[in-house]
Amino acid sequence: NAGVTQTPKFQVLKTGQSMTLQCAQDMNHEYMSWYRQDPGMGLRLIHYSVGAGITDQGEVPNGYNVSRSTTEDFPLRLLSAAPSQTSVYFCASSYGQGMNTEAFFGQGTRLTVV
Amino acid sequence: TQLLEQSPQFLSIQEGENLTVYCNSSSVFSSLQWYRQEPGEGPVLLVTVVTGGEVKKLKRLTFQFGDARKDSSLHITAAQPGDTGLYLCAGNQGAQKLVFGQGTRLTINP
Repeated sequence: NAGVTQTPKFQVLKTGQSMTLQCAQDMNHEYMSWYRQDPGMGLRLIHYSVGAGITDQGEVPNGYNVSRSTTEDFPLRLLSAAPSQTSVYFCASSYGQGMNTEAFFGQGTRLTVV
Repeated sequence: TQLLEQSPQFLSIQEGENLTVYCNSSSVFSSLQWYRQEPGEGPVLLVTVVTGGEVKKLKRLTFQFGDARKDSSLHITAAQPGDTGLYLCAGNQGAQKLVFGQGTRLTINP
């Protein structure tokens, strides 16, 4: 099983450039989410989706857009990259919203904005 | 302001020693999860605790949820080098919105 697949694994952007981080899951999970991980901060929720066509903002949504046109895919778009967006980004999926639900994470995308 | 405070943030001990990592909050969570993360990988779930006062054991790891469901602890007995990693606690705010602590970077020296 592939699980949650993120591409690319590494990316360097110049300030002002745009890009899309890809996330795909093959487990037919309803819930998908994006987190960023910074030193000393743990993981912080950017955006999440409870199903195709439904998205909502998390704790740190500014500068990021998402869409969920299919169950499998949940891309994260940076419209105009800033150095403050240098981070490691993780996509996660889960099969429900019960208290015991496990979140499955991808391997992450390490993004550097110069 | 971090909603979930983990302590310590760094811990380096010798093989065979015991250790405890704490995860504290002023908020109540419906459940609390512990994840372990290896370098270059995403977090992987270790355990979920749901009921106040609940204790779960996973081999040499013991997880406890506070009676008021605001705090949790992870105790490792006789630590081994294979336990080295980043340990993260996460509170579930509903709809799979997880709030993470800062993490505890654990190093077990042979």
